[in-house]
Amino acid sequence: EVQLVESGGDLVQPGGSLRLSCAASGFTFGTYSMSWVRQAPGKGLEWVANIRQDGSEKYFEDSMKGRFTVSRDNARNSLYLQMNSLKSEDTAMYYCARGVELAFWGQGTPVTVSS
Amino acid sequence: VMTQSPATLSVSPGERATLSCRASQSVSGALAWYHQKPGQPPRLLMYGASTRATGIPTRFSGSGSGTEFTLTISSLQSEDFAVYYCQQYNNWPFTFGPGTKVDI
Repeated sequence: EVQLVESGGDLVQPGGSLRLSCAASGFTFGTYSMSWVRQAPGKGLEWVANIRQDGSEKYFEDSMKGRFTVSRDNARNSLYLQMNSLKSEDTAMYYCARGVELAFWGQGTPVTVSS
Repeated sequence: VMTQSPATLSVSPGERATLSCRASQSVSGALAWYHQKPGQPPRLLMYGASTRATGIPTRFSGSGSGTEFTLTISSLQSEDFAVYYCQQYNNWPFTFGPGTKVDI
């Protein structure tokens, strides 16, 4: 059974940093690209980042370039999202999902940016 | 940019529902549909514009290519009342539509 479990979400002050993790199981992690998608409270879905299978190519939504970094450890079946210079508008539920046709999603980890 | 219409669709159980999604430029066939219920992550319904994901009932069908796409639910069941999103994955940044809420 495919499972994706996010962690690391927290309450953080504006300008702060957080590192989100996603633990994957039930499939060959290293053969799929992985994505982060977020959803602000009461709002729609927003793609954050995608990282290719070997980590060689990474794509970020424009508003997050330079602030967010995505990485993966295929040996540990894990995906990461490093978020720096956080803003109130980054407040959202952050989901990891498999691939670009997002067939599997985690339950999400909440990030709140507030003073 | 992805747009969806209508924003809200009110239907009765057993009725047919037709949801539209439009892309500002061609996405070829790289179009997926999801639905999401409150407090849950989205669930993939269709990919490649017209291929049902694993476990999705046959009452769901998708069509279209280029810039115009349609998701049809032939006979709405109670579990189908949700918000529906389309998403293109042809051109980065991959983008979602704003959603169509299907309610009773």
